[in-house]
Amino acid sequence: DQQVKQNSPSLSVQEGRISILNCDYTNSMFDYFLWYKKYPAEGPTFLISISSIKDKNEDGRFTVFLNKSAKHLSLHIVPSQPGDSAVYFCAAYAQKLVFGQGTRLTINP
Amino acid sequence: SAVISQKPSRDICQRGTSLTIQCQVDSQVTMMFWYRQQPGQSLTLIATANQGSEATYESGFVIDKFPISRPNLTFSTLTVSNMSPEDSSIYLCSVEGATEAFFGQGTRLTVV
Repeated sequence: DQQVKQNSPSLSVQEGRISILNCDYTNSMFDYFLWYKKYPAEGPTFLISISSIKDKNEDGRFTVFLNKSAKHLSLHIVPSQPGDSAVYFCAAYAQKLVFGQGTRLTINP
Repeated sequence: SAVISQKPSRDICQRGTSLTIQCQVDSQVTMMFWYRQQPGQSLTLIATANQGSEATYESGFVIDKFPISRPNLTFSTLTVSNMSPEDSSIYLCSVEGATEAFFGQGTRLTVV
């Protein structure tokens, strides 16, 4: 049972535009959500997080939105830059971290 | 933050053999976590390693297949035993900070 789902395996965005990565979850016990970025041959690095008591958290070009009623969160990157090309994982925490399958983001110049 | 060194970074192994992956953290931590990422899949928690006690394994993972050592508060090893091609994955160790998890760079294992 996939408790955290990223339904888009890949996304291609033009440089300078907005990238929107989506994530859905099923477990209402999740109370903390995170986004990680992963480059090839490297471990995931933390990007941004949000607590379930909030609906938005912003850090520079990165904004995470949480819609608890829809059990949906999204990561917005604006403006997108070529260095943002990576695989992005959303993760949710109840008693342990549960990861989505990842979305490969490609930023085209 | 925590800096995690993991080795080897990659290996190609024959089926039926075993590989031990090492994970070193630059600070003392109570719990260390081992994850697996199969091709095209999400990261899946294998087990939690506490110093001084046996590791706690997630459903679908057993100690005979993935023995873990945790000799001190900065080091852990994961062994992938009696490997088959289905074990070809990226294996990552991780520690938890106050608000996020930190990961090693991963070990890319290919079993032939």
